Amino acid sequence: EPEVTQTPSHQVTQMGQEVILRCVPISNHLYFYWYRQILGQKVEFLVSFYNNEISEKSEIFDDQFSVERPDGSNFTLKIRSTKLEDSAMYFCASSDGTGVPRWYFGPGTRLTVT
Amino acid sequence: LAKTTQPISMDSYEGQEVNITCSHNNIATNDYITWYQQFPSQGPRFIIQGYKTKVTNEVASLFIPADRKSSTLSLPRVSLSDTAVYYCLVGDPAYGGSQGNLIFGKGTKLSVKP
Repeated sequence: EPEVTQTPSHQVTQMGQEVILRCVPISNHLYFYWYRQILGQKVEFLVSFYNNEISEKSEIFDDQFSVERPDGSNFTLKIRSTKLEDSAMYFCASSDGTGVPRWYFGPGTRLTVT
Repeated sequence: LAKTTQPISMDSYEGQEVNITCSHNNIATNDYITWYQQFPSQGPRFIIQGYKTKVTNEVASLFIPADRKSSTLSLPRVSLSDTAVYYCLVGDPAYGGSQGNLIFGKGTKLSVKP
């Protein structure tokens, strides 16, 4: 089965620092998403991305967050100035946009802000 | 988006059939029902999806009554490795619109015992 990959698996950073989380979606997919999950809580939608622009974003996705598809394979999430409350698992997902969609999630990046 | 209600937790034993029911009284005409599985510190994994009646794949069955106000995920002969959180999601899979992302609830934590 095709896989979404994410790097790094674990990122530790200090408060106020910038972090970039990387994802490689499945190669023929057109729609990309970031979700996060704070320990013990629900999986929360952050942003969706299609045709090189944001389709939708949640209220969590404020000006500190940005997404980019810098080349034909990578999809990144940048947090400009991390806060303690940004500590969470961040999941990337993609879907191909055909038929009834199915989202494929990556293994996640655990972000720890100290 | 239709709100979903599922049991917070369920216990079972190896070899038993497990049925997890999800209520979605406000399901809309275009909505599909999708179930995901999540292991600790991993991304959600697609299990099964349906619109009405019964859908079966290699891992599960999904039963949807005629009024579509509920659905039941059936896992045959569970094993210890089926211990996970199971999410029921309801939404219109139309791309590009406000329904084009997944909204996760708290899910059902299934514990399979030997």
